[in-house]
Amino acid sequence: GDSVTQMEGPVTLSEEAFLTINCTYTATGYPSLFWYVQYPGEGLQLLLKATKADDKGSNKGFEATYRKETTSFHLEKGSVQVSDSAVYFCALTSRGGGKLIFGQGTELSVKP
Amino acid sequence: DAGVTQSPTHLIKTRGQQVTLRCSPISGHKSVSWYQQVLGQGPQFIFQYYEKEERGRGNFPDRFSARQFPNYSSELNVNALLLGDSALYLCASSSQTGTVIYEQYFGPGTRLTVT
Repeated sequence: GDSVTQMEGPVTLSEEAFLTINCTYTATGYPSLFWYVQYPGEGLQLLLKATKADDKGSNKGFEATYRKETTSFHLEKGSVQVSDSAVYFCALTSRGGGKLIFGQGTELSVKP
Repeated sequence: DAGVTQSPTHLIKTRGQQVTLRCSPISGHKSVSWYQQVLGQGPQFIFQYYEKEERGRGNFPDRFSARQFPNYSSELNVNALLLGDSALYLCASSSQTGTVIYEQYFGPGTRLTVT
């Protein structure tokens, strides 16, 4: 079945460091790909999305490119801030999009 | 505009009891999905409803049921609670055109603790 695998956390960075969180997927057909962020004690917020191969999703300085050849959707940010500390989830939908399949999440901690 | 709302925020129940969780979608959204998030894991899909009909079901036992009302709000019911049902229950709403569902927006969740 469809699945998402993320790099394990926690990831600890200093402020202004470069961030990469790896995400790979297995899916039949052509899934849509998403990154969600969860701040402590809150629900999930949609961070960015890509719906077809080579699409680049971007928001708030975060970017991810849909790579069909490597079945990947890695999240990147050039300069992280303390306020970026949260858990990041990679997810996909296929076959109409009603069911989101999530990775296990990667906790990011940014130190001043 | 108001986002997805869920009630209650927190809930403590005893094993064997029943619980009902509620969700109101974003105005104009007709699709509602439910997810269970156990601590330290990603959310797991439970149900999706669209136009008051079940359109998808995850790998959960029959103790879990849901319904959607004419105003598109939804309830998730869990019977015969087990300790393992302790989790954050998330509701998400989305717009839908035909069979295509657009991005899902999540509520803050209901934290259920079963003792």
